[in-house]
Amino acid sequence: AQRVTQPEKLLSVFKGAPVELKCNYSYSGSPELFWYVQYSRQRLQLLLRHISRESIKGFTADLNKGETSFHLKKPFAQEEDSAMYYCALRRGAGSYQLTFGKGTKLSVIP
Amino acid sequence: KAGVTQTPRYLIKTRGQQVTLSCSPISGHRSVSWYQQTPGQGLQFLFEYFSETQRNKGNFPGRFSGRQFSNSRSEMNVSTLELGDSALYLCASSLEVVGTEAFFGQGTRLTVV
Repeated sequence: AQRVTQPEKLLSVFKGAPVELKCNYSYSGSPELFWYVQYSRQRLQLLLRHISRESIKGFTADLNKGETSFHLKKPFAQEEDSAMYYCALRRGAGSYQLTFGKGTKLSVIP
Repeated sequence: KAGVTQTPRYLIKTRGQQVTLSCSPISGHRSVSWYQQTPGQGLQFLFEYFSETQRNKGNFPGRFSGRQFSNSRSEMNVSTLELGDSALYLCASSLEVVGTEAFFGQGTRLTVV
């Protein structure tokens, strides 16, 4: 069975400081990895997917298959980055089921 | 285009009752999944439908069931409600393309009293 672990429930950083939200996964196959974000009173929405290797709102994430990690990074945090962040894994192979981590609440202090 | 729509947004039910929640996916999306979100357990997968067939089911009791119609709209039903069923129920739809994202609805907040 697959599992996603986000070790930090809450992460507080000052505006302008670097941010790293950790995500580790366990799955024997080749998963698809995603980061979803939920801003206050808004629906869950996609931030990044590993397959596209893009940068969104200054965030990047690299899939490290050796360490089974998919950490989310941003060099300079902004107040509007304050939100809940969820790392998610999809097995692929005919299934679109997402397995989520418990989430990390990012609080950016002005 | 219109996003994923879930109705109703809020529900209050009594223990022992049953409830039906509805989800209308984005037009053209045939894959619909349901998730339960609680403060303690986070987001947990309930079930996944594609073309009216259930493809996967999460680790929930048989009181939780669902179905998908020919227009891809989906419903989930919870019978014999328990206090612990109080949660935000989220529906997501997606295209059948590798790497594509799942689009989530606003959710239905169910409170069991």
